[in-house]
Amino acid sequence: AQSVTQLGSHVSVSEGALVLLRCNYSSSVPPYLFWYVQYPNQGLQLLLKYTSAATLVKGINGFEAEFKKSETSFHLTKPSAHMSDAAEYFCAVSVNTGGFKTIFGAGTRLFVKA
Amino acid sequence: EPEVTQTPSHQVTQMGQEVILRCVPISNHLYFYWYRQILGQKVEFLVSFYNNEISEKSEIFDDQFSVERPDGSNFTLKIRSTKLEDSAMYFCASSARGEAVEEQFFGPGTRLTVL
Repeated sequence: AQSVTQLGSHVSVSEGALVLLRCNYSSSVPPYLFWYVQYPNQGLQLLLKYTSAATLVKGINGFEAEFKKSETSFHLTKPSAHMSDAAEYFCAVSVNTGGFKTIFGAGTRLFVKA
Repeated sequence: EPEVTQTPSHQVTQMGQEVILRCVPISNHLYFYWYRQILGQKVEFLVSFYNNEISEKSEIFDDQFSVERPDGSNFTLKIRSTKLEDSAMYFCASSARGEAVEEQFFGPGTRLTVL
């Protein structure tokens, strides 16, 4: 069975600082990995996804994530935080097993200080 | 830009009552999903739906839950007899294809409060 662990329910950074949101996954078969972002009163929006084509994945709004199989990690980074990045971020894993399910992590709320 | 919509945004109900949560998926999508998030907890998969049938469901999706596509645009989640522990944010999602690699498009959610 798949699972996702997001380390840190809350992360606070200063504007212009590096953003690092951590995600570790568990899967018995090759996974597809996703990062979604949720702004207040909105649905989840895809930031980026890993599909095995490349281990470093670039997404929208300057975010990127690196798939590290040896560490079972898919951490999300952005070199320089902007106030508009303040939101909740969800890591998710999905695998094909005949059908499929998408399993989400608990989410990390990112605060950006001026 | 096409988006998934959900109504109502907030539903308050008494324990034991039936509720129907409504979703309008993106028009050319064929696969539909419901998730829920209890406050402070993970987003949990409930059910996926394709071609008027349930494709997958989780252990949470027991006999008190049902889904339906009553017409060409709506996708509904019915909870027959609500319990206090059903209080959560319920998200609807849709995708063009039913594959693990496919992006799902989410609605803004319905906050269900059971008193």
